[in-house]
This record gives sequence, C-alpha cells and structure tokens, in this order.
Amino acid sequence: DSGVTQTPKHLITATGQRVTLRCSPRSGDLSVYWYQQSLDQGLQFLIQYYNGEERAKGNILERFSAQQFPDLHSELNLSSLELGDSALYFCASSVNSQETQYFGPGTRLLVL
Amino acid sequence: DQQVKQNSPSLSVQEGRISILNCDYTNSMFDYFLWYKKYPAEGPTFLISISSIKDKNEDGRFTVFLNKSAKHLSLHIVPSQPGDSAVYFCAASAGSSNTGKLIFGQGTTLQVKP
Repeated sequence: DSGVTQTPKHLITATGQRVTLRCSPRSGDLSVYWYQQSLDQGLQFLIQYYNGEERAKGNILERFSAQQFPDLHSELNLSSLELGDSALYFCASSVNSQETQYFGPGTRLLVL
Repeated sequence: DQQVKQNSPSLSVQEGRISILNCDYTNSMFDYFLWYKKYPAEGPTFLISISSIKDKNEDGRFTVFLNKSAKHLSLHIVPSQPGDSAVYFCAASAGSSNTGKLIFGQGTTLQVKP
C-alpha cells in the first residue's frame, strides 16, 4: 500500500460525458501527478500540481483539466469523452519534485 | 518521440538465475532514473533509483547500472524469484526542469519460472 488513494476504482461511461477522478496523496506529500496508461502503452505524464499550483503540463488534452485543493487532494476532470480516452489513470504523489513518486492503484475508465 | 525505450517487451528466466532488464534514453538532460514494478490491477511500485552522478546503486537483490556515455541503464535482479514476475518500467526525469515529470518506457514483462 503506497498510501496514495484513488477513487473510483472503475468507471464506465458513454461518449460525450464528463467524469471526475479523485486522488488523495500520501500524508505530507505536496506534489501530485496524473498519468495516463492506454492499452499497450507506457505511462504518459499529464499534469503536476505542487501545493495547490500547477507545476508542469504534459500531453494533456484541452478537454481534460485538473486541480489541487487546499487539503492537497486532487481531481482530474475529463469532459466530452471519446472512445480513445479509455485507459488507466494513475495518480502519484511525492514530497517535492525531486523526491520519489509513489503511485495509487489507478482508476480504470471505460468509455462506451 | 520516445525519449525512454525498453526494447524488449518480454523476458523469461528461471528461478534463481539473474534477470537483466534494459533501458535506453535519448535526452541528455535526464539526471535521475527509476525502476518501477507493476502487477496487474495495481499501480506501479517504486523499486530502485539512481542519480546521474553514480553508475551503480544496489538494494538487496536489485542493482541498477547507469552508463551515461551510452545513455543506457539496466536493472539486475539476483536471484530471480517467481514473485518478481511483473511488468517493469524504467523512468527518467530532468531535475533542471524543476518538475517531477517522469518519462516512462513501454515496459518489459518479466516471467520467472519455478
């Protein structure tokens, strides 16, 4: 158990819909990261927040957005969902940008 | 543009023998490298890391070697155990970017046969 929690574990929805994925970092970690793993792909970095502020952006679609709240939990919002958005979404956290990232169990999203 | 590559999708070894997983990178700005292990239906689990100022780091059965001139790193597992069967990802980051953004390879599936 990494100490990072993600909800929900599974999500099935339809094209065009909007979903919110939630992540609670390890106690004491200020940095939260979101990664996407599509079928047969490695993990792709989406976005990083540090203490409530966006720190880095990767190949995140404009239909996707994220935020980190004062209690340090983070949410990833995916809108206008397409079939190709079906993937595993992982959240990771670390004390700061230079420290090891610890991953949550992931949310498996299926868009039908 | 795949900056971190794991060219072997799979590897099969006998229990007790050495497992060697390889990873190549292209970005010379990378200065921190990590290996993660992933079981099905779980998130990646941190295994071992190495900074670019070192060429070797050891933790129990796991050793990571870094060859900066060749832009190559490898993970050695000795002795291999059936419980080591999983997907192994190497990842890299550039500390100078002041972000923790990790670039991952595609992963290598290791099977350790009893």
